[in-house]
Amino acid sequence: QKEVEQNSGPLSVPEGAIASLNCTYSDRGSQSFFWYRQYSGKSPELIMSIYSNGDKEDGRFTAQLNKASQYVSLLIRDSQPSDSATYLCAVIGSGGYQKVTFGIGTKLQVIP
Amino acid sequence: EAQVTQNPRYLITVTGKKLTVTCSQNMNHEYMSWYRQDPGLGLRQIYYSMNVEVTDKGDVPEGYKVSRKEKRNFPLILESPSPNQTSLYFCASSLFGSYEQYFGPGTRLTVT
Repeated sequence: QKEVEQNSGPLSVPEGAIASLNCTYSDRGSQSFFWYRQYSGKSPELIMSIYSNGDKEDGRFTAQLNKASQYVSLLIRDSQPSDSATYLCAVIGSGGYQKVTFGIGTKLQVIP
Repeated sequence: EAQVTQNPRYLITVTGKKLTVTCSQNMNHEYMSWYRQDPGLGLRQIYYSMNVEVTDKGDVPEGYKVSRKEKRNFPLILESPSPNQTSLYFCASSLFGSYEQYFGPGTRLTVT
């Protein structure tokens, strides 16, 4: 079973701080990585995708990928109370199949 | 408006009574997928489809069937539902090769 692991949290950060969310994956051949945000009672929505090693920035969000360490992270700068949600890491594995494996999600609480 | 729709949104049924949850997207996406979301287990992929008439199993396909006869529709069929299929179900779609998925609003299924 190929796995994607996240700390379920909750991760509490004060408003204006940087929130750091982490994800590790077991399939070394994975090529595509995604971060989704899910508000309580709502469906997941895509925040970022990242395919190559390094950083990818989009507004207050930065995704970081390190394939050698099998690690992907999401940084949220200037965290706002509206960022309070569960953040899901998703990985597409190797082997020619297009299965998507999600982590359990990290619940983020931004304290005003 | 670009969207993924699911019907019904809520369903309570009894063990063994066949049911179908419909999923439709208007974005001309090739890739469609079904997930179930359970507390403590996260989102798990049931089936996915890379195009019309092309489907494959995800991580938890037992007890489910799918078909993809039209590009826009990807129904999920439970031929003999059991209580352990009580869950929140999401349909999602994306362009093939991108896998940046758009999720439907979810279907909350209860099997008694």
